Amino acid sequence: DTEVTQTPKHLVMGMTNKKSLKCEQHMGHRAMYWYKQKAKKPPELMFVYSYEKLSINESVPSRFSPECPNSSLLNLHLHALQPEDSALYLCASSQTGSTGELFFGEGSRLTVL
Amino acid sequence: SQQGEEDPQALSIQEGENATMNCSYKTSINNLQWYRQNSGRGLVHLILIRSNEREKHSGRLRVTLDTSKKSSSLLITASRAADTASYFCATDGNNFNKFYFGSGTKLNVKP
Repeated sequence: DTEVTQTPKHLVMGMTNKKSLKCEQHMGHRAMYWYKQKAKKPPELMFVYSYEKLSINESVPSRFSPECPNSSLLNLHLHALQPEDSALYLCASSQTGSTGELFFGEGSRLTVL
Repeated sequence: SQQGEEDPQALSIQEGENATMNCSYKTSINNLQWYRQNSGRGLVHLILIRSNEREKHSGRLRVTLDTSKKSSSLLITASRAADTASYFCATDGNNFNKFYFGSGTKLNVKP
């Protein structure tokens, strides 16, 4: 199984809502990532988890809260977002210990009204 | 972008022609990778070249790396309409598990 599964595929939320994006992989990868991608732009790194511990936070606003409950799951909790946070949120995983390929999910398209 | 630039930003060619896209990056690296993204979808890994390699081939793909110039190129030979997508280079900034993407090249292959 070389898949990274993201849910939901589409999410519309108001600025006062609380929602979560979910990501799951069963490849035994111990590094997991959240990227944000605006239209016609490259993916921008947000967070990296290594062995279920947050290792990189690219100065992301606190209204985005990542969580890694176990080695297969990665969540992104969303609260009090702004319309400019509307984007495609991509989850990825990779093996740790050496720089290797990233396996991406299909993304969750978020619209903040 | 967080790490580098690609050119051209957009490229339109006929089926059967070759497509070349270039990537420049800012910091030293362990390796450089190329990814493909169909519109609004996830990214798919194409090829990885390590910092001590100069050229690598995979099927119709040829990648070169010049670490002295901090640049790489991706050549797709005998392009097909199905190659239409955006192509991104990604580097690790000499930091394991910290991947940054270039600005991307949007390739359109006309049948």
